[in-house]
Amino acid sequence: NAGVTQTPKFRILKIGQSMTLQCTQDMNHNYMYWYRQDPGMGLKLIYYSVGAGITDKGEVPNGYNVSRSTTEDFPLRLELAAPSQTSVYFCASSQGQGAGGPQHFGDGTRLSIL
Amino acid sequence: RKEVEQDPGPFNVPEGATVAFNCTYSNSASQSFFWYRQDCRKEPKLLMSVYSSGNEDGRFTAQLNRASQYISLLIRDSKLSDSATYLCVVTPLTGGGNKLTFGTGTQLKVEL
Repeated sequence: NAGVTQTPKFRILKIGQSMTLQCTQDMNHNYMYWYRQDPGMGLKLIYYSVGAGITDKGEVPNGYNVSRSTTEDFPLRLELAAPSQTSVYFCASSQGQGAGGPQHFGDGTRLSIL
Repeated sequence: RKEVEQDPGPFNVPEGATVAFNCTYSNSASQSFFWYRQDCRKEPKLLMSVYSSGNEDGRFTAQLNRASQYISLLIRDSKLSDSATYLCVVTPLTGGGNKLTFGTGTQLKVEL
């Protein structure tokens, strides 16, 4: 019963490097999300998707890109890593449309940019 | 003003105590409300939804006051395992995508 799976769990990058954070869900949820959580702060929405082929910006999209070619996968791309992107990244998915569907989260990816 | 505001705590309470958290939200168009629980260095997990009439789940009771735009969570008979950060979450009806707005959380520490 996997739910939402994120890889890698930890990663250290150098400034200017690029990487992709992977997220996959096996619940056939249409909605998927990427958040970042900085220490002592709430979760901030980076990007979200309401279905395959459809993505939209959240609150803090700068420096990131996403794609949604399948229902299951929603990778997050960092093109030019910056120290300000050091954070914990959570991927989530939900079934419900409109307001109200609970979101299911992955375990998170802890990313440090040095 | 933040969209969702919570007292960060920490709330240090003895085992068995009753503790209450409040959360205020600024967008009067907010339609759905939740409490999530987040353990240290873990992912958030849904604790309970909050309904207009108030709702209870075991030792946990959630209330919504739309007129004053606040949500509350009451925990009775606190257990050591209740120690966590409790996130207040709201979502508007409009805007699509079922987007959630998270508060920064209230930390609860239950002690012997």
